[in-house]
Amino acid sequence: GESVGLHLPTLSVQEGDNSIINCAYSNSASDYFIWYKQESGKGPQFIIDIRSNMDKRQGQRVTVLLNKTVKHLSLQIAATQPGDSAVYFCAANAGGTSYGKLTFGQGTILTVHP
Amino acid sequence: DTAVSQTPKYLVTQMGNDKSIKCEQNLGHDTMYWYKQDSKKFLKIMFSYNNKELIINETVPNRFSPKSPDKAHLNLHINSLELGDSAVYFCASSHGVGAYEQYFGPGTRLTVT
Repeated sequence: GESVGLHLPTLSVQEGDNSIINCAYSNSASDYFIWYKQESGKGPQFIIDIRSNMDKRQGQRVTVLLNKTVKHLSLQIAATQPGDSAVYFCAANAGGTSYGKLTFGQGTILTVHP
Repeated sequence: DTAVSQTPKYLVTQMGNDKSIKCEQNLGHDTMYWYKQDSKKFLKIMFSYNNKELIINETVPNRFSPKSPDKAHLNLHINSLELGDSAVYFCASSHGVGAYEQYFGPGTRLTVT
C-alpha cells in the first residue's frame, strides 16, 4: 500500500543552524506534496507545498526539494529559530482523481536549542 | 478572525456514549475533512465532503457518521464510543477537491474512559 515516511523521527539543532527534514513516499502517482508544522496542542499548520512538475520551491526561510526519481522530498529550514521547534509532517496525495486525499508521514520532532 | 474552528476542544466521555464534534470554517472553502491523530501523532484521513457531498470515506467504523449541513460546516457524530476512539480529531478545509493545501482546525481531544 502507499506510505509516506520520514527517515529521522527526531532532529536536534542549535539556533542559527540550517535544518533538513527528509521524507520518502511510495506512490509514484503522487503529484502534490505538502509540509506541515504542528506545535504542541495545535493543529497542523501549512508551511509549503510543491507539485510534481517542480524540483524545488522556496518560501520564507524554507525550501522544499523533490526528487521524483527516488521518491524523496526534503524540507530545509534556514537559520533555525527556537520557534521552529515542532513536529513536521510531510504528506502526499494519491494522484489522479484522489479528491485531495493526503497520506501523512510519521512526523519528525525538531528541537532547536538556544 | 478564526479560520477553522472546532468545538469542543476537549471531550471526556464514557464507553458506550454517543458524542458529536462540530467544525466550522469561514475561509469560503467548499471542501472539508475529518482526520484522526493517534497517540503516536499519526494523522489519517477519515472523511471528506465537497459542497455537502461525501467524496472520501476511508475504512472507518460505521459508528462514525459525518454530516455537512452546508459548505461551511462539517460535524462528526460518533455512536457507542470505544476506548480505541480516544484520539485527537482534526477538521480541515480546502478550496476545491484536487491537490490544494488543507487548513486545519485546532483539534478536539477525545478521551473515552
